[in-house]
Amino acid sequence: DAKTTQPTSMDCAEGRAANLPCNHSTISGNEYVYWYRQIHSQGPQYIIHGLKNNETNEMASLIITEDRKSSTLILPHATLRDTAVYYCIVSREGAGSYQLTFGKGTKLSVIP
Amino acid sequence: NAGVMQNPRHLVRRRGQEARLRCSPMKGHSHVYWYRQLPEEGLKFMVYLQKENIIDESGMPKERFSAEFPKEGPSILRIQQVVRGDSAAYFCASSPRGGRATDTQYFGPGTRLTVL
Repeated sequence: DAKTTQPTSMDCAEGRAANLPCNHSTISGNEYVYWYRQIHSQGPQYIIHGLKNNETNEMASLIITEDRKSSTLILPHATLRDTAVYYCIVSREGAGSYQLTFGKGTKLSVIP
Repeated sequence: NAGVMQNPRHLVRRRGQEARLRCSPMKGHSHVYWYRQLPEEGLKFMVYLQKENIIDESGMPKERFSAEFPKEGPSILRIQQVVRGDSAAYFCASSPRGGRATDTQYFGPGTRLTVL
């Protein structure tokens, strides 16, 4: 699976949009981009995933560049409860693809 | 609809004892995954089970660790003769089908194992 690179930490003011970048320059054509988050002492929570097109759900938006080498997770109006570690994961479809590999992620701190 | 449930939430064992971690998947989910998170590390896949079958245990340590998901009851992750290096958070996830990347995994709150 392609490796991902994320900033170690980020701050965001409450009520503002949080934009979390992820680089996955070695991604291949059948690999999806997933985002999970882990609030302190809890299990990871699925946020969103996509292949090529931008995606939006009730939690966030996922913007994938045209060359698919990077993506950005957008939390449109960050709240204090969004403070968490955010993981960008790249995983192919097919055999063994359920083996999610979590790196160090980005620690997002939402500041009042 | 209750989420994935894990118990106990915290478990303390002395070196050489056995640890049993339980996971009840979400209602209607028949696929269970176990992950381990060492301190200051990301989660690492351990094993994938369906009812009465181990599908993939490629992430399990070769010795002392075993997992099962019986026809009735929760999935169990068993660690025999625990050592200090087994201290970690153990997370269970479930999905309704397939075991594919696009089948969203829903995680439980984890069991934090401390080995004295």
